[in-house]
Amino acid sequence: SQQGEEDPQALSIQEGENATMNCSYKTSINNLQWYRQNSGRGLVHLILIRSNEREKHSGRLRVTLDTSKKSSSLLITASRAADTASYFCATDADNNNDMRFGAGTRLTVKP
Amino acid sequence: DGGITQSPKYLFRKEGQNVTLSCEQNLNHDAMYWYRQDPGQGLRLIYYSQIVNDFQKGDIAEGYSVSREKKESFPLTVTSAQKNPTAFYLCASMLGWGGSYNEQFFGPGTRLTVL
Repeated sequence: SQQGEEDPQALSIQEGENATMNCSYKTSINNLQWYRQNSGRGLVHLILIRSNEREKHSGRLRVTLDTSKKSSSLLITASRAADTASYFCATDADNNNDMRFGAGTRLTVKP
Repeated sequence: DGGITQSPKYLFRKEGQNVTLSCEQNLNHDAMYWYRQDPGQGLRLIYYSQIVNDFQKGDIAEGYSVSREKKESFPLTVTSAQKNPTAFYLCASMLGWGGSYNEQFFGPGTRLTVL
């Protein structure tokens, strides 16, 4: 079963705007990660946030984690057309040795 | 170059045939994974292996088999028992567990089509 669920399923914005994607999960986790997938390609790791962290930054990316609500958000600031891709959250539950991915958010950034 | 490779990129299978998808990594990673992705969907875990000669079923293991005879290799066989095998298959590897070793590295994928 998929652990994470992303929201919205699809998001379309203009270049320069910010994009926010959300992820909810069901069980306790060790960490939560965000990945990006260009169409027909493998996934690329973007950022990892641990269960004892609340916020993390990497370039134009900002990730937050609220373990009380079992949710995370990924913010991409000053979006570019090249940010067009699908974005997935993934979690590894603290009682499992595997990872679970959500269904993803398809982001389209219009030039 | 270090990385994870999958072959072939495209694979066509006739109904009733078994096919094997290759996944190789030279990253010295302990853990390897196979995922299936259907159009517009997320990834579903088929099998994973944390160490040589050991592997575990994921959520959709029926109709698939794997082996892990070498650390570098984790081939996936799609058997004739898999009734709807047309999908995009992704292999991934990870250094280990705990600490900061939780990033998965993905191969470019194999697109399997049943004719």
